[in-house]
Amino acid sequence: GAGVSQSPRYKVTKRGQDVALRCDPISGHVSLYWYRQALGQGPEFLTYFNYEAQQDKSGLPNDRFSAERPEGSISTLTIQRTEQRDSAMYRCASSSILDTQYFGPGTRLTVL
Amino acid sequence: GDSVTQMEGPVTLSEEAFLTINCTYTATGYPSLFWYVQYPGEGLQLLLKATKADDKGSNKGFEATYRKETTSFHLEKGSVQVSDSAVYFCALSFLPNFGNEKLTFGTGTRLTIIP
Repeated sequence: GAGVSQSPRYKVTKRGQDVALRCDPISGHVSLYWYRQALGQGPEFLTYFNYEAQQDKSGLPNDRFSAERPEGSISTLTIQRTEQRDSAMYRCASSSILDTQYFGPGTRLTVL
Repeated sequence: GDSVTQMEGPVTLSEEAFLTINCTYTATGYPSLFWYVQYPGEGLQLLLKATKADDKGSNKGFEATYRKETTSFHLEKGSVQVSDSAVYFCALSFLPNFGNEKLTFGTGTRLTIIP
């Protein structure tokens, strides 16, 4: 497709389960970003990649959160042992080098 | 750290009214500034941007001018339409600066236009 896609769009899980969120960037985009958005707030940066290299993971809240982009295209954000406070919209964006970030539709995660 | 403060909402206006949504920033250095918009049921879309002082970004009738002296980037539109109803986010980054382009967002302002 032409835009950034994310899957699943909605995920409901029980506390303690692991979840994997997927992002498929715009074809050819070098940079890929993950953000988390709580209800009523703006997105907050989690981590980003240039090609397959994770450049900055300073926004990951703790070691239960990890991300990878093994072939420099699709990325997966994994949350282990989910907690209720992890409930949020998780947004992915991609960009060409030194260019505007284009956002996907987001994954709404609900932890029961 | 870097931060963005924007006008709290919600904002409700009548169609054809003049719109201003205030945005100020705190940053070390000279960031690029952005307005993103989120229409109901959709993802974030870039509305406009400015990369240096005194630049004016514009799109779809919206404008914002990068004011370094007041560290502001207020969003304006002369005559709003019902279709402008959305949540508006002000944001900054240090683009172009390869290796540090993460966006820092404000909390968002919900705008509702009534016919």
